[in-house]
Amino acid sequence: AQSVTQLGSHVSVSEGALVLLRCNYSSSVPPYLFWYVQYPNQGLQLLLKYTSAATLVKGINGFEAEFKKSETSFHLTKPSAHMSDAAEYFCAVSAGSSASKIIFGSGTRLSIRP
Amino acid sequence: DGGITQSPKYLFRKEGQNVTLSCEQNLNHDAMYWYRQDPGQGLRLIYYSQIVNDFQKGDIAEGYSVSREKKESFPLTVTSAQKNPTAFYLCASSKARDSVVTDTQYFGPGTRLTVL
Repeated sequence: AQSVTQLGSHVSVSEGALVLLRCNYSSSVPPYLFWYVQYPNQGLQLLLKYTSAATLVKGINGFEAEFKKSETSFHLTKPSAHMSDAAEYFCAVSAGSSASKIIFGSGTRLSIRP
Repeated sequence: DGGITQSPKYLFRKEGQNVTLSCEQNLNHDAMYWYRQDPGQGLRLIYYSQIVNDFQKGDIAEGYSVSREKKESFPLTVTSAQKNPTAFYLCASSKARDSVVTDTQYFGPGTRLTVL
């Protein structure tokens, strides 16, 4: 069975600082991994996804994530935080052979300090 | 503009009432999903449908019902049997019926349901 763990329910960084949001997964088959962002009272928007091609995946808004099989991790990073990055971020892993079985993490709320 | 619409944005319900949440998509997607989101928790799958006139229970289907009579519509009914229905409800869709696991899900803006 697949599962995903996001370390840290809340992360706070200063504007201009590095953003690092952690995600570890468990999967019995090669995983497909996603990062979504959710702004207050809105739906989720895909930031990026890993589909077994390049291990470093670049997404929208300057975010990227690196798939590390040995560490079972898919951490999300951005070199320089912007105030507009304040949101909730969800890591997700696919399960089985159907996209209907995507497992979401519990989310990490990112706050940006001026 | 293609996308997913959910209505209403805010919904208030008295205990013992059934309510129906609307979800419509014009992306020509085959698959549609309903999730429930509670504070501090991830999304939990309620129901999904990969084709018209067919749907499957997710992880927390008790107290909910759905229908899929048209490709573009997937309404969710929260019944009086759902003991704790106050939550944020998200509808999503994805492209292919026989989707590979890389298929991206596209989300609507959500409906916030509050039981009074």
